[in-house]
Amino acid sequence: GNSVTQMEGPVTLSEEAFLTINCTYTATGYPSLFWYVQYPGEGLQLLLKATKADDKGSNKGFEATYRKETTSFHLEKGSVQVSDSAVYFCALSEGQAGTALIFGKGTTLSVSS
Amino acid sequence: KAGVTQTPRYLIKTRGQQVTLSCSPISGHRSVSWYQQTPGQGLQFLFEYFSETQRNKGNFPGRFSGRQFSNSRSEMNVSTLELGDSALYLCASQSGGRNEKLFFGSGTQLSVL
Repeated sequence: GNSVTQMEGPVTLSEEAFLTINCTYTATGYPSLFWYVQYPGEGLQLLLKATKADDKGSNKGFEATYRKETTSFHLEKGSVQVSDSAVYFCALSEGQAGTALIFGKGTTLSVSS
Repeated sequence: KAGVTQTPRYLIKTRGQQVTLSCSPISGHRSVSWYQQTPGQGLQFLFEYFSETQRNKGNFPGRFSGRQFSNSRSEMNVSTLELGDSALYLCASQSGGRNEKLFFGSGTQLSVL
């Protein structure tokens, strides 16, 4: 079946460092890909998405490119802030209308000043 | 616009009991999905309802069931609770279109003793 694998954390960075969180997927067909973020004490929020190969999703300085040839959707940010500390989930869509999401296990990011 | 509301926030039950969780989606959203979040398994898709019909279903036993009412509010029921059902249960709503953004509630934390 479809699955998502993302790098295990925690990832600990200093403010203004470069961030990469790796995500690879296994899927039949052409799913859409997502990054969701969960801040402490809050529900999940969509960070960015890409719906087809070579699409780049971006939001709040974060970017990820849908790479069909490597089945990857790595999350990057050039300069992280303390406020980026959260748990990040990579996900793909499946099912009718693409409304069922398969999530990775999540990567905890901790940024210190 | 009010967000996704889940009740109750916390719940403690004993093995063998049953439980019902409630979710009120964002006004105008016709799709409601349920997810189980545990430290070991991460986020797993339970099922999705759209216009009172189950549209997608994850790989959970029949003890887990749900329904959706005409006002799009949804309930999830777990019968014959097991210790392993202890988890954060998240509800998400969306308008129902393909690959639309999911809006998550804060969840119901269920503890089974």
